[in-house]
Amino acid sequence: QKEVEQNSGPLSVPEGAIASLNCTYSDRVSQSFFWYRQYSGKSPELIMSIYSNGDKEDGRFTAQLNKASQYVSLLIRDSQPSDSATYLCAVNLRDGNNRKLIWGLGTSLAVNP
Amino acid sequence: DGGITQSPKYLFRKEGQNVTLSCEQNLNHDAMYWYRQDPGQGLRLIYYSQIVNDFQKGDIAEGYSVSREKKESFPLTVTSAQKNPTAFYLCASSPGQGTYEQYFGPGTRLTVT
Repeated sequence: QKEVEQNSGPLSVPEGAIASLNCTYSDRVSQSFFWYRQYSGKSPELIMSIYSNGDKEDGRFTAQLNKASQYVSLLIRDSQPSDSATYLCAVNLRDGNNRKLIWGLGTSLAVNP
Repeated sequence: DGGITQSPKYLFRKEGQNVTLSCEQNLNHDAMYWYRQDPGQGLRLIYYSQIVNDFQKGDIAEGYSVSREKKESFPLTVTSAQKNPTAFYLCASSPGQGTYEQYFGPGTRLTVT
């Protein structure tokens, strides 16, 4: 069974701190990795995608990928109360001739003013 | 204004009735997906389609049906055979052709009593 695992949280950080969210996956051939943010009652929103080992930065967000360890993380610098949401990790999986995403259950982040 | 639309936002039905949820995209994306999300749970894939006139079952297809007659449209029918239809239904699309990130519509919250 292909799986994506995340700590459910809640992860609580003070405003201005760095929030670190982690995700591990079981399928060694996965090549594409995504982080989504989902506010309560809303649909998921793509915030980062990463395809190569190393770091990818976009504003306050940094995604880190280590394929050898099957590990992808998301760092949020200078956390703001508006970052309080559930963060979903998704991994691309080949399904025959098709592609689909396998989703983690999400990590709930609370940023305290 | 490009995007994915789902209608309606809230839908109420009596048990035993079939109901069709609409999903339309004007992003020229090849692939479209239907998920359901229950409180405190992750995204579960119902059906997906990589090209027009073709679709595949996801992990929880029983009690649901879809069609993909046009590239822009991927309606989902929740049939009376679905035992627990009350949920938040999310439609997503993806460019395809080597690009796998998914973009979500706003969702339809279905309540069956």
